[in-house]
Amino acid sequence: DSGVTQTPKHLITATGQRVTLRCSPRSGDLSVYWYQQSLDQGLQFLIQYYNGEERAKGNILERFSAQQFPDLHSELNLSSLELGDSALYFCASSVLAGGPTGELFFGEGSRLTVL
Amino acid sequence: DAKTTQPTSMDCAEGRAANLPCNHSTISGNEYVYWYRQIHSQGPQYIIHGLKNNETNEMASLIITEDRKSSTLILPHATLRDTAVYYCIVRVGKDDKIIFGKGTRLHILP
Repeated sequence: DSGVTQTPKHLITATGQRVTLRCSPRSGDLSVYWYQQSLDQGLQFLIQYYNGEERAKGNILERFSAQQFPDLHSELNLSSLELGDSALYFCASSVLAGGPTGELFFGEGSRLTVL
Repeated sequence: DAKTTQPTSMDCAEGRAANLPCNHSTISGNEYVYWYRQIHSQGPQYIIHGLKNNETNEMASLIITEDRKSSTLILPHATLRDTAVYYCIVRVGKDDKIIFGKGTRLHILP
């Protein structure tokens, strides 16, 4: 158990809909990262927050947005869903914003299926 | 884009040492080498990291060449539970875009 909690574990929805994925980082971790992993694809970095502020952005679509709240949990909002958005969405946390010792601890992921 | 090159897949017999290579020929002096693994569709798991000295922990050893252009992750006594995709990542301290490549799919053979 990494200590990172993601909900829901599974989600099935229809095209055009909007969903919210939630992540609770490990106790004491200030950074939250979001990754997308499509079937047989690698992990695509989406976005990172540190202590409530956006720190780094990857290939995140404009239909997607995220935020980190004062209690440090984070939410990833996916809107106008398309079939291609079906994927595993992982959240990771680390103590530091960056830094060589800031290893990431990953949650078990949220599996999104868009029909 | 990932700054590392890894073989797509490797096999290793159970009980033997698994040696996973990684090329990072453009690594900068302040970039660390990290290894993670992902078992099936679980969340990736941190294994080890290093700068220029060899490192060892309870999971693995990391050997970095003197010129730092390549490294090898060593699982000393591979078990079936080590079957996973192994990712080698280089990372600057200030770089928060932690980019995973395609990794090496390691098959442990009984």
